[in-house]
Amino acid sequence: GEDVEQSLFLSVREGDSSVINCTYTDSSSTYLYWYKQEPGAGLQLLTYIFSNMDMKQDQRLTVLLNKKDKHLSLRIADTQTGDSAIYFCAESFRGSTLGRLYFGRGTQLTVWP
Amino acid sequence: NAGVTQTPKFQVLKTGQSMTLQCAQDMNHNSMYWYRQDPGMGLRLIYYSASEGTTDKGEVPNGYNVSRLNKREFSLRLESAAPSQTSVYFCASSERGFEGETQYFGPGTRLLVL
Repeated sequence: GEDVEQSLFLSVREGDSSVINCTYTDSSSTYLYWYKQEPGAGLQLLTYIFSNMDMKQDQRLTVLLNKKDKHLSLRIADTQTGDSAIYFCAESFRGSTLGRLYFGRGTQLTVWP
Repeated sequence: NAGVTQTPKFQVLKTGQSMTLQCAQDMNHNSMYWYRQDPGMGLRLIYYSASEGTTDKGEVPNGYNVSRLNKREFSLRLESAAPSQTSVYFCASSERGFEGETQYFGPGTRLLVL
């Protein structure tokens, strides 16, 4: 099970909260990640959560994990125009080769003033 | 400390031509990776290297070869480029290749095969 699904687009107004959602199929995932890709750049790790956690907060970012529904979300509080980017959900599995990552297709977040 | 660097940034090839994409990291990481990113798709792993002198296939290795020249450098070679290899190629590295480690990505090489 390496299927990671994300909606492709999200548009929010500056100052609002953004919620980016992700579903995955394999319950043996051990770590779930959120990466950010700005235009013309590589991916940057934003945060990750271990599969035995339900929530992780890091400044404006809140990650929620619902293991029963295999659903992961990333909430960005007080979204700014600089948050406009593509956000990728990814997972890794216990014993997988080299901590190999499986990525979703990415959600394009557009923040308008 | 430049992190992960890739050259070239852009390349246009004709079908059948060959080229090598270069990647280097200055973080003394053991593990290195090559991914490709196609429009509307997540990244897919082409090849990886656990340590100097070792390489292994990822999800989409066909049409590519790699060389882990030393601990710093990991190159990707296209022997006979095909239009299906038009993509953005990312190199990444991590300290030991363990789960939960951060993978650091380079800025990418944008390749167009005509």
